[in-house]
Amino acid sequence: ELKVEQNPLFLSMQEGKNYTIYCNYSTTSDRLYWYRQDPGKSLESLFVLLSNGAVKQEGRLMASLDTKARLSTLHITAAVHDLSATYFCAVDTYRRSQGNLIFGKGTKLSVKP
Amino acid sequence: EPEVTQTPSHQVTQMGQEVILRCVPISNHLYFYWYRQILGQKVEFLVSFYNNEISEKSEIFDDQFSVERPDGSNFTLKIRSTKLEDSAMYFCASSGDSLETQYFGPGTRLLVL
Repeated sequence: ELKVEQNPLFLSMQEGKNYTIYCNYSTTSDRLYWYRQDPGKSLESLFVLLSNGAVKQEGRLMASLDTKARLSTLHITAAVHDLSATYFCAVDTYRRSQGNLIFGKGTKLSVKP
Repeated sequence: EPEVTQTPSHQVTQMGQEVILRCVPISNHLYFYWYRQILGQKVEFLVSFYNNEISEKSEIFDDQFSVERPDGSNFTLKIRSTKLEDSAMYFCASSGDSLETQYFGPGTRLLVL
């Protein structure tokens, strides 16, 4: 069974600080996704990582993928309050299915002034 | 920008009643999905749908659940006899290809009393 684990599950940061969220998964996967969810809202796609060593950056967020270690990271640089949200990583099980996503439990990020 | 839409946004029903949740995927997309998120928990895959048939379903998607694409635009999830534990946010998602990002709708919050 494919498992996806995120840590930390809760993260309280001060504005201007850097931090990294980790996403481990238990079996081979083709793709890894990062989504953002604001309270009571839907999931917004942030990044799609398609291969080993992939790195993508958007603003203060940078995601990377190491398929050998089965690890993805989401790095936050100089956090601002607007980044407060829950961040989910999800792994694609394409090799066994039509692309259904298995999600981690999410990391609830709170950025304080 | 094209988006996935869902109706209703909120649905309250009595235990044992049937509910139909509706989704309009992005128009040129071919892969459709339903996920659910129980309050405060992770997003869980329910079912994927392609070429007018179910591609894969999870253990959650038992005989009480069904999906249908009744016309060229709508994609529905029916729960035949709702249980209290079906209370959750239900998200529809679509993608142009099973290898691509899945775009999520705003969700339907279902409350079973």
